[in-house]
Amino acid sequence: DTGVSQDPRHKITKRGQNVTFRCDPISEHNRLYWYRQTLGQGPEFLTYFQNEAQLEKSRLLSDRFSAERPKGSFSTLEIQRTEQGDSAMYLCASSYGVGDPSGNTIYFGEGSWLTVV
Amino acid sequence: GQQLNQSPQSMFIQEGEDVSMNCTSSSIFNTWLWYKQDPGEGPVLLIALYKAGELTSNGRLTAQFGITRKDSFLNISASIPSDVGIYFCAEQRWAGNMLTFGGGTRLMVKP
Repeated sequence: DTGVSQDPRHKITKRGQNVTFRCDPISEHNRLYWYRQTLGQGPEFLTYFQNEAQLEKSRLLSDRFSAERPKGSFSTLEIQRTEQGDSAMYLCASSYGVGDPSGNTIYFGEGSWLTVV
Repeated sequence: GQQLNQSPQSMFIQEGEDVSMNCTSSSIFNTWLWYKQDPGEGPVLLIALYKAGELTSNGRLTAQFGITRKDSFLNISASIPSDVGIYFCAEQRWAGNMLTFGGGTRLMVKP
């Protein structure tokens, strides 16, 4: 079990550029989550997938953000026309969800740091 | 929406001391989770609590799910330098299992 893998770990981009992050969940995990964490704050939920279906999106996920999980395995999170306020760590997590929370441990990746200059 | 208040925001203690931190919510929770995050890393689950009154230990860590279902505490006994990090409480939603995190408690341990 290789854990949740995220790429790249760090990205510096100029304002207005597009960036894409990739997440490879733990194999056989059907649920995949994206969170955003800014300095000094706890992670905030952005969106989640069950298999390839995107079932919920937070109000934090503006129109410039899009996430996909085309084959129910890896996922990408794209941010278009980046703004300085997008600077944060983007965390991916996965779990094997079969109903109630007990036993559905959510495992986080190491995160992708984005700095918009 | 629901709010998770975590305290203290930071603690600076001597190695060997015991530590206690807590979380309170504005609404009733069905779960309480405690995560630890090391610098530059993602959160790692320490303890999960699913029943009111539940008391669970994981090594030197002990956490309890408050009877009112609106609070939880985490205790660390005999702290060591590797306990340094940020500790988050979180609630796990039943549907979809999404997490809502508190603001974190930053723990610093002086050798």
